[in-house]
Amino acid sequence: KNEVEQSPQNLTAQEGEFITINCSYSVGISALHWLQQHPGGGIVSLFMLSSGKKKHGRLIATINIQEKHSSLHITASHPRDSAVYICANGTGETSGSRLTFGEGTQLTVNP
Amino acid sequence: NAGVTQTPKFRILKIGQSMTLQCTQDMNHNYMYWYRQDPGMGLKLIYYSVGAGITDKGEVPNGYNVSRSTTEDFPLRLELAAPSQTSVYFCASSTQVMGRKQETQYFGPGTRLLVL
Repeated sequence: KNEVEQSPQNLTAQEGEFITINCSYSVGISALHWLQQHPGGGIVSLFMLSSGKKKHGRLIATINIQEKHSSLHITASHPRDSAVYICANGTGETSGSRLTFGEGTQLTVNP
Repeated sequence: NAGVTQTPKFRILKIGQSMTLQCTQDMNHNYMYWYRQDPGMGLKLIYYSVGAGITDKGEVPNGYNVSRSTTEDFPLRLELAAPSQTSVYFCASSTQVMGRKQETQYFGPGTRLLVL
């Protein structure tokens, strides 16, 4: 069974702190997705990766295929980073295949 | 581009009523998906479609139906609403690139449904 687990479930940080959110999955992937869900409910894709590391602004995503583990890092966190961060595992052999989602990590960054 | 749009934003249904949640995308994506999100739970796939005329069940399809007559539209139908269907529903779409196994999914703003 394909399972995706995130930790921590909730995270509170002070502005400027370095943040790490972890994701472990049980089944080999085609790609690992990180998404952000805004307080208003909208969901946007941050990263899709199948190896190594990707960086966009202050966000960095890494993946270790052998350990079935991915991390999302936020450098110099800001209150506007407050959101739910969701990890999802895509395991299909064809494009656009189905994702299994983690339960999300609620991040609150205080000024 | 409007991206993925969903209507309505919010709806209250009585038990046993039916309704259709609308989803439209203007990115010419061939893959479309319906998810539900319950409080404290991960998104669950209800149905998905790989192109016009082709649909398939996801993880939690019971109580729902879909159709895909055009590339743009992927409506989700609830025939006999039940309290267990109270949730937030998200539609998403993605494209297909030859040789790539996964693509980014683009989400609509969601429909909040309350069944009383």
